[in-house]
Amino acid sequence: QQPVQSPQAVILREGEDAVINCSSSKALYSVHWYRQKHGEAPVFLMILLKGGEQKGHEKISASFNEKKQQSSLYLTASQLSYSGTYFCGTERGGSQGNLIFGKGTKLSVKP
Amino acid sequence: EAGVAQSPRYKIIEKRQSVAFWCNPISGHATLYWYQQILGQGPKLLIQFQNNGVVDDSQLPKDRFSAERLKGVDSTLKIQPAKLEDSAVYLCASRKHATQVYNEQFFGPGTRLTVL
Repeated sequence: QQPVQSPQAVILREGEDAVINCSSSKALYSVHWYRQKHGEAPVFLMILLKGGEQKGHEKISASFNEKKQQSSLYLTASQLSYSGTYFCGTERGGSQGNLIFGKGTKLSVKP
Repeated sequence: EAGVAQSPRYKIIEKRQSVAFWCNPISGHATLYWYQQILGQGPKLLIQFQNNGVVDDSQLPKDRFSAERLKGVDSTLKIQPAKLEDSAVYLCASRKHATQVYNEQFFGPGTRLTVL
């Protein structure tokens, strides 16, 4: 089941904050976050595991609410380089490590 | 460490023609994935290999798509015959091991396929 991301798009000024959400109707083992710039490959940002542990960027934080099966990505003091499309990939237990990606959230940071 | 390599980067073909894409994963990565990404959508898994065995190909349109990973390293994805709806970016990704924690997927630059 494909996770639902919100919002679909957001426009920010440099220095502003943003939150991107990813929700699943199925119980999850982990959530992976990627950023993709136009014409480029997705780049890894963060892994969040069931149980609250995480690994990722220094300047980007995220949370994983197991009760709601929802993850949120927090982008603080946004920079121009944060622009791109953010995808969450969800992994269920026993899925052999397969990720199901959401449709993405397009983030545009303006000067 | 070298990243995931893919070729060609771009391909334009007519419908009903065949096409093949090549992927070389990061050295030592046991797991290899092929994804299809249609414009404006997230990547959709087509097939997953663990070493040279297929783990999941449930979303691969087997009447026209095929993939192999000989010797557990390089992989090729083939489409024969291509349809207009196959126009997409085909991404290859690799991972050290599918079921170990804290290991992310690394994506290649993709092959942009246009079917006319």
